[in-house]
Amino acid sequence: QSALTQPPSASGSPGQSVTISCTGTSSDVGGYDYVSWYQQHPGKAPKLMIYEVSKRPSGVPDRFSGSKSGNTASLTVSGLQAEDEADYYCNSYAGSHNWVFGGGTQLTVL
Amino acid sequence: EVQLVESGGGLVQPGGSLRLSCAVSGFTFSSYWMTWVRQAPGKGLEWVANIKQDGSEKYYVNSVRGRFTISRDNAKNSLYLQMNSLRVEDTAVYFCARHYSRASDYWGQGTLVTVSS
Repeated sequence: QSALTQPPSASGSPGQSVTISCTGTSSDVGGYDYVSWYQQHPGKAPKLMIYEVSKRPSGVPDRFSGSKSGNTASLTVSGLQAEDEADYYCNSYAGSHNWVFGGGTQLTVL
Repeated sequence: EVQLVESGGGLVQPGGSLRLSCAVSGFTFSSYWMTWVRQAPGKGLEWVANIKQDGSEKYYVNSVRGRFTISRDNAKNSLYLQMNSLRVEDTAVYFCARHYSRASDYWGQGTLVTVSS
């Protein structure tokens, strides 16, 4: 049950696009289409942004999109806005009813 | 409106016990898997445990298996986490969340557990 690998930080200017990666193994990210992404502002609960690799819950702006290739999943935020500045975590099913998170990426809007 | 409210956190000595509760409203509690996730101070999220709708299946992260027990009372719309043999490294904010489509779509605000002598 090793954590998924995310870059510690990412940044972009307002209006730009930024992509955050989440690398696992064939036993988790690569083995199942059960990757989700969460946004967390300081002192707040996480918020679901993407589930099942690329699906958006109701109310999440379509500026947020998800994808997967092999053992790496990605979250892309297009048209960056100030309120997008937050920590982002990926999560994947890892088999045998186990779940694993990434270490988190701090997104800064310059 | 969906609401999840955790309670029961606090300061406990190493080796001690604590029981967390999560009161839910706004959805049919008995229809969903539920989960506990924790976050150590300044650290990332860690999945702790899941429980099936009727409580018949329970799963844990390796580091808490044998010490923590997840349970639920569907009549009371409540989720629980009994934590025994607590260690300093269990210090964290504990979140309860509803599990839907292999993700956690609604979360509580969290309750802080501090294990320290």
